[in-house]
Amino acid sequence: DGGITQSPKYLFRKEGQNVTLSCEQNLNHDAMYWYRQDPGQGLRLIYYSQIVNDFQKGDIAEGYSVSREKKESFPLTVTSAQKNPTAFYLCASSSIGQGLYEQYFGPGTRLTVT
Amino acid sequence: DAKTTQPNSMESNEEEPVHLPCNHSTISGTDYIHWYRQLPSQGPEYVIHGLTSNVNNRMASLAIAEDRKSSTLILHRATLRDAAVYYCILRDVDTDKLIFGTGTRLQVFP
Repeated sequence: DGGITQSPKYLFRKEGQNVTLSCEQNLNHDAMYWYRQDPGQGLRLIYYSQIVNDFQKGDIAEGYSVSREKKESFPLTVTSAQKNPTAFYLCASSSIGQGLYEQYFGPGTRLTVT
Repeated sequence: DAKTTQPNSMESNEEEPVHLPCNHSTISGTDYIHWYRQLPSQGPEYVIHGLTSNVNNRMASLAIAEDRKSSTLILHRATLRDAAVYYCILRDVDTDKLIFGTGTRLQVFP
């Protein structure tokens, strides 16, 4: 079945460690997105990419890094510079079309840093 | 980025219609209006979107005001499975970004 996979579902890390969250899609979508969600809040955009080897910062990119070496994959690294990394992280993908197409979301990774 | 305003919460009884309002007074002429919903601990799910005309699909209907400054998501017969946070979003035509607000939490009672 086509869709977006994120792994792992739950992730625990010690403060000061970098951690990489996986996102893979087999929908042949050009665009991919990373969001962060804190309890009781809406989603905030971290990074997005509309083409391989290119990506743009979203609203809260500080302390995060991404790569887009393959169309299917858009991993997110949460670095030790991110002040409050504990959150629910969501990956999404879509076709590009001037706002016309829906975004498909993965199941999310819940990261806890202590 | 254009913003949307939604009530924090709404309630409905099962089998009744639900009208979820959204104000977007700063909408530009090319912004699409998207609605997504999110169940607890899951990723958001696409519901419907439109530009100017009213839209219907198997999940819901979207009624868009003539001046496009407001819209209403209509669930024709609420079920317990419709209990979720509903987000009304203007999708940026240049970047395709979705800018989420805090949404409306819909409670459905049996």
